[in-house]
This record gives sequence, C-alpha cells and structure tokens, in this order.
Amino acid sequence: EIVLTQSPGTLSLSPGERATLSCRASQSVSSSFLAWYQQKPGQAPRLLIYGASSRATGIPDRFSGSESGTDFTLTISRLEPEDFAVYYCQQYGSSPPYPFGQGTKLEIK
Amino acid sequence: EVQLVESGGGLVQPGGSLRLSCAASGFTFSDHYMDWVRQAPGKGLEWVGRIKNKANSYTTQYAASVKGRFTISRDDSKNSLYLQMSSLKIEDTAVYYCIRVQLAPHRAFDYWGQGTLVTVSS
Repeated sequence: EIVLTQSPGTLSLSPGERATLSCRASQSVSSSFLAWYQQKPGQAPRLLIYGASSRATGIPDRFSGSESGTDFTLTISRLEPEDFAVYYCQQYGSSPPYPFGQGTKLEIK
Repeated sequence: EVQLVESGGGLVQPGGSLRLSCAASGFTFSDHYMDWVRQAPGKGLEWVGRIKNKANSYTTQYAASVKGRFTISRDDSKNSLYLQMSSLKIEDTAVYYCIRVQLAPHRAFDYWGQGTLVTVSS
C-alpha cells in the first residue's frame, strides 16, 4: 500500500508569494495517478490537479503540478487571499485503497 | 451543474446502524463510479469505499477499516448512492462525503458533496 507524505505540515506565506507544496510517495505511482485537492474551513475538498499535472475544470492557471519519480509538487505561482487553505495529495491508482497525504496547511504570514 | 447532496447523518450509539444517502444530479449518474470519503473532526481525509458502474458489474471495494461493516449500494434509476453502516464504532465519527469519480482513464475525485456528519457516541 502506497503511503503519501506531505511537507511541510504548515507553510506561512504572504499574498503574492510563490508556494511550493511537496508530496512524496513510498513507491511508484502508476500512470501518474496523483491528484491535489484544496479544502477551506467548513467546506468540502475541491479537485485542483489530476494526472499529476492536469488542471481540473475551472482551476486558475496559477496552480500547477509536477512530478519527478515518486516526488510530486503543487506550485501556486502568486498567492491570492482565497488560496490559503489545506491541501491534500492523493493516489488514485488502479486498485484500492486510494490514500491521501496528511495535508499541508497554507496560512497567511 | 453537478450536485451531490448527502443526507442521513446523525447521532448513533456504538454498535448501532445508520444509512447515508446521496442524491446526484447534473450528470449521467449511471456512467460514473461513486465513492465515499470521510473526515474525522480536525483530521485528514480517509477513503471509505467505492461502487463501480453497471458496465463493471457494480463491483464494490472497501477500506480495511470498514470492510464487513459498511455496504455501498446505488440505484441508477433514482440517481442515488447509499452507505449502510453497521456495528458502528466511536472512531467512525466523521463527516462523510459522497464523491463522483472521473471517467477513465483518470479516476480522480472530481465532485464532492457538502458532507453529512455522523457522530457515534453513547
């Protein structure tokens, strides 16, 4: 079973800055089946990125995803006030389970 | 517009049962796999289980933590998804989300309901 480890646990930045969030898989993720989700307080998560680097419908282009082996990165190029939230990565490969990382909280500095 | 609306949450005693429902609209429900994900208070996300579509024989899959206690079903004629929970434990306390799974090849979780809270307590 794949384990996803996200870092850092909390990231403190200011609006306009660049955010880099990491997700490391314990083993290879098949066919880049890695997604990123954003969750704001009191809301359901929202799909941002799937296939490691494809933006979901309606997601601004300041959000981008990349991969290098078992390391995945979510980058927010210029933080907007509405981007401060918790971010989760998830592996959704061909067979269950479909684990999530423990989350990274992006907070305003 | 895709909508997923959960209902059926509430307070239940340990060992009890509860049935959650999810009403779907705005898409061809019968085409999609559907999942449940839960989130304990102040905690992260945990995948609970999946039911595939008719073309895949409505196959179900479950997390180890709920296997044998939870049952997922669907009624494509009613665009509805269900989660029957039995032998509930205190650690099952969580917000339960109904999830639409993307069509193949990628099966990320592209739409989420607002969630329904299940509290297991005596």
